[in-house]
Amino acid sequence: NAGVTQTPKFQVLKTGQSMTLQCAQDMNHNSMYWYRQDPGMGLRLIYYSASEGTTDKGEVPNGYNVSRLNKREFSLRLESAAPSQTSVYFCASIRTGSNEQFFGPGTRLTVL
Amino acid sequence: DAKTTQPTSMDCAEGRAANLPCNHSTISGNEYVYWYRQIHSQGPQYIIHGLKNNETNEMASLIITEDRKSSTLILPHATLRDTAVYYCIAFPSNNAGNMLTFGGGTRLMVKP
Repeated sequence: NAGVTQTPKFQVLKTGQSMTLQCAQDMNHNSMYWYRQDPGMGLRLIYYSASEGTTDKGEVPNGYNVSRLNKREFSLRLESAAPSQTSVYFCASIRTGSNEQFFGPGTRLTVL
Repeated sequence: DAKTTQPTSMDCAEGRAANLPCNHSTISGNEYVYWYRQIHSQGPQYIIHGLKNNETNEMASLIITEDRKSSTLILPHATLRDTAVYYCIAFPSNNAGNMLTFGGGTRLMVKP
């Protein structure tokens, strides 16, 4: 049972490049989330998926798209990266019937 | 979701109890109090949650006032590994796609 996994762990992009951050959970959770955390700040929700086949915007969705590929996987895409998107990105999932969120180890993204 | 207010930072001596306060004066009847912590550069970790009764688990105790307007997280014997940012969140009991909002939290420094 690996919990929540994220790839890659680190990434450097140039302005305008695109990339997809991958997240998977093996706990059979229905809801999954993408957060970003800027240095010295709390977490801010980008997008979430309450269940397979549904996605909704969070607090800071601009510049991102998501795909809930199946129950296990929830990916985050940056179509045209900007320096303002330099951050640490965390994926999380929620155990059904609970609000206990399980977080992945994070992806550290730098956009030059 | 109710807004929570926490001190920005606190110090605690190793081996002593760490008491982290949280104000949530606008909490509604169906909102639980959740505590998470984030150790440097890692994903947040769930600690404990409660509705109105005091709760205890292997990590911590949660004391909620009778009027539910504030709570205290207690780490009974703080260790250096408890140095982290602690987040208090008020959140409704159902998790149908609801968003957890992480504020700035309390930065706890455990000192030898």
